[in-house]
Parts: sequence; structure tokens; C-alpha cells
Amino acid sequence: NAGVMQNPRHLVRRRGQEARLRCSPMKGHSHVYWYRQLPEEGLKFMVYLQKENIIDESGMPKERFSAEFPKEGPSILRIQQVVRGDSAAYFCASSPGIAGLTDTQYFGPGTRLTVL
Amino acid sequence: GENVEQHPSTLSVQEGDSAVIKCTYSDSASNYFPWYKQELGKGPQLIIDIRSNVGEKKDQRIAVTLNKTAKHFSLHITETQPEDSAVYFCAASAASGGSYIPTFGRGTSLIVHP
Repeated sequence: NAGVMQNPRHLVRRRGQEARLRCSPMKGHSHVYWYRQLPEEGLKFMVYLQKENIIDESGMPKERFSAEFPKEGPSILRIQQVVRGDSAAYFCASSPGIAGLTDTQYFGPGTRLTVL
Repeated sequence: GENVEQHPSTLSVQEGDSAVIKCTYSDSASNYFPWYKQELGKGPQLIIDIRSNVGEKKDQRIAVTLNKTAKHFSLHITETQPEDSAVYFCAASAASGGSYIPTFGRGTSLIVHP
């Protein structure tokens, strides 16, 4: 039973380039969440998606960041024109989307983004 | 919004001792409290959770207690082992318009010395 999968695990970009982070939820899960973690800090919520819908993007920076969860394929977190401050670990989590279990989230291994 | 405070930030114990990590939350509407363990270079792993309709939950060496009146909850690890060494995060969430977004504490680095 595969867990949440993220790729790439490590990503290096130069300032101004684009970063694309992918997340495949656990089998049977229809809800995806993205978080950012800076060194020695907790997890900061970015965006919550269901298939083809953004449910809550209150934690997303207004510019350069976008997310999608298409009908087919993984969820994508896209960062345009990256800056050094974007360097962090980005985690994806998924949940079942079933009444009573909606809030149980399972995390992937993360993508560590380094901006040179 | 919700605010979650977690203490201590670092906890060092000898193998076999117990470890206790405490969290407080501010939003009385919060009703779900998961705990995650994160090892170096890995993603957070759900280890135990509790909902507001119960006061305590146990799973082998791990237990979580919840005091809704005081708005605090704690993680208890008994008979600690070196492999328990990791960063532990607490979180709190409440159904809000159907969006179950947890607020996380800043984490506790647990070090278990052999």
C-alpha cells in the first residue's frame, strides 16, 4: 500500500528559474495539502485542494506560487522566478475525504528545494 | 485564528525514562489533535491522534491526554528507546467551512541517550 509520493526529493534551482513539485496522494485519497517547512520550524500551511478545485489557499504567497490537482495525475506546486527565500522543504499530505476521517492527514517524504 | 504553543523545544532523556511533551491551543472550536514524529530528512509520520470527545488514548508506549477546559494536550512516551529520537509536532484543527487545516506547534527535538 503505497503512501504519499513526492518528487523530486531534492531540487536545485538558480534564482529566476521555475520549480515544479509533484505529489501523488495515497490510494483512495482525494484531498491534498501542501506545507512549507523552514529549518527548525514547524509546518506552515500553504494550500488545500481536491480534484480540480482549490478549497483553501490562504497560506499561499500572492505572487509566484500556484497549485493544481487535475482530474488525472499528481498535484503540482509551482513556484515561478524562485528567490533564495524559497529554499525550504515542501511537504504534501493527503486525506481520505470521508466524513469523520477528512482531517487525518498523511505526509509524503518532502521535496527539499535549494535556490542558488 | 488558531495558535498552538509547544514545550519544551528540546528534551533530552536517558533510555528507559519517560518523556512528556505539552501543547496548548487557543481556539475552543478545535476538536482534532494529531501528533507527528519527524526523523531527519523524512516527512512527518502520524503516530497518534485524539478527538475532543475523549480525554486519553494509548497505543503501546505512547499516550496522549486532552484537557479541553484548559485547552492543552500532551504526548507521553514511556520506556524511551534511542529510536524514539526525532522531532515531534503537535497540531490542532477544527472543521471550518469544511476545511480541516491543522495549526502545528514549532516542534520538540527529543534525544534519547543510550
